[in-house]
Amino acid sequence: NAGVTQTPKFQVLKTGQSMTLQCAQDMNHEYMSWYRQDPGMGLRLIHYSVGAGITDQGEVPNGYNVSRSTTEDFPLRLLSAAPSQTSVYFCASSWAGSGYEQYFGPGTRLTVT
Amino acid sequence: GNSVTQMEGPVTLSEEAFLTINCTYTATGYPSLFWYVQYPGEGLQLLLKATKADDKGSNKGFEATYRKETTSFHLEKGSVQVSDSAVYFCALFNSGGSNYKLTFGKGTLLTVNP
Repeated sequence: NAGVTQTPKFQVLKTGQSMTLQCAQDMNHEYMSWYRQDPGMGLRLIHYSVGAGITDQGEVPNGYNVSRSTTEDFPLRLLSAAPSQTSVYFCASSWAGSGYEQYFGPGTRLTVT
Repeated sequence: GNSVTQMEGPVTLSEEAFLTINCTYTATGYPSLFWYVQYPGEGLQLLLKATKADDKGSNKGFEATYRKETTSFHLEKGSVQVSDSAVYFCALFNSGGSNYKLTFGKGTLLTVNP
């Protein structure tokens, strides 16, 4: 199993550009989520999904969109990048059978100039 | 809502010292509790977990006990090594209703010197 994969690993955007961060898992987990990690702030939940076709907002959803058309994929879209979105983004998946233990991807480091 | 408070670092110890990182939480219902570790330049990985009151999670010499009466999940290790240097995150997961979320503490940076 590849586990949770994220692409790209690094990205630089200009203010106003849009892009999609990709996340995929091959463990058939029903729950997937996106976090951002900023110095001194820990990890903050952006959006999450409890199954294909079902998504909900987390703590910091503004400026981001998600969709979940398949169990495996959970892309995160930045609609119009802003410098405040400079961060490291982590995708994670989990399932009820493990008490929702999260399996994290390796992260995407995004810089918005 | 849910919240996690963990002791702020950084924490600096000598090798073989005893480690405690305090973690307390507020939550409705019966959350699962976790400790995650992040080594430099890497993503997060699960260190240990406990899914109900009085459970003790353990892994790699680390332990934490789910104390519902004190709403705590303190992380301990009897003898730390240089390789334990990392950031440690306490987290809780609540499921059901509108509460399907993992909430993290802000992390504690541990540095272990030889």
